[in-house]
Amino acid sequence: NAGVTQTPKFRVLKTGQSMTLLCAQDMNHEYMYWYRQDPGMGLRLIHYSVGEGTTAKGEVPDGYNVSRLKKQNFLLGLESAAPSQTSVYFCASSPDTAGRSYEQYFGPGTRLTVT
Amino acid sequence: KQEVTQIPAALSVPEGENLVLNCSFTDSAIYNLQWFRQDPGKGLTSLLLIQSSQREQTSGRLNASLDKSSGRSTLYIAASQPGDSATYLCAVGRGTSYGKLTFGQGTILTVHP
Repeated sequence: NAGVTQTPKFRVLKTGQSMTLLCAQDMNHEYMYWYRQDPGMGLRLIHYSVGEGTTAKGEVPDGYNVSRLKKQNFLLGLESAAPSQTSVYFCASSPDTAGRSYEQYFGPGTRLTVT
Repeated sequence: KQEVTQIPAALSVPEGENLVLNCSFTDSAIYNLQWFRQDPGKGLTSLLLIQSSQREQTSGRLNASLDKSSGRSTLYIAASQPGDSATYLCAVGRGTSYGKLTFGQGTILTVHP
């Protein structure tokens, strides 16, 4: 049971390039989330998904797109990277339990630098 | 808009001390509150989750309390050890919003031998 995994771990992009970050979870969790972590700003929610085929915007969605074609995967895309998107990106997942605790389990993060 | 504040921003203590980390939030209509630990360059590890109907949760040397009316939570760490050194994050879950969390900026804890 690997939990939540993220690929790649590190990436350097030039302004204007595009890329996709992959999050995978093997816990059969219903909900998945993408956050970014910046010094002085804490973690902020980018997008989230409440089930396969669904996505919704979080606090800071501009410049990002997401897709959840399979329940176990949640992809975060940057169509035209900007230096302001330099950050550490975390994916998390949460089960849909009867008690609805929404306890979140995090991946190890992807460190992205945009030059 | 919910705002979450953690005090102090950094804390350095000798090994063996009992310590308290504080978290305050502006909107008391929360669904739950979660405490996480983050080691440098790593992801977040869930420590304790308190539902809005609960007052506290305990796990080993950790105890977290929740006072919704005053908008506060505390994380108590007993008999601290150097291995407890990390950043501790508090996050508040909003009601009926599929677990979306609002995070504080964390307390950096250093426990020296």
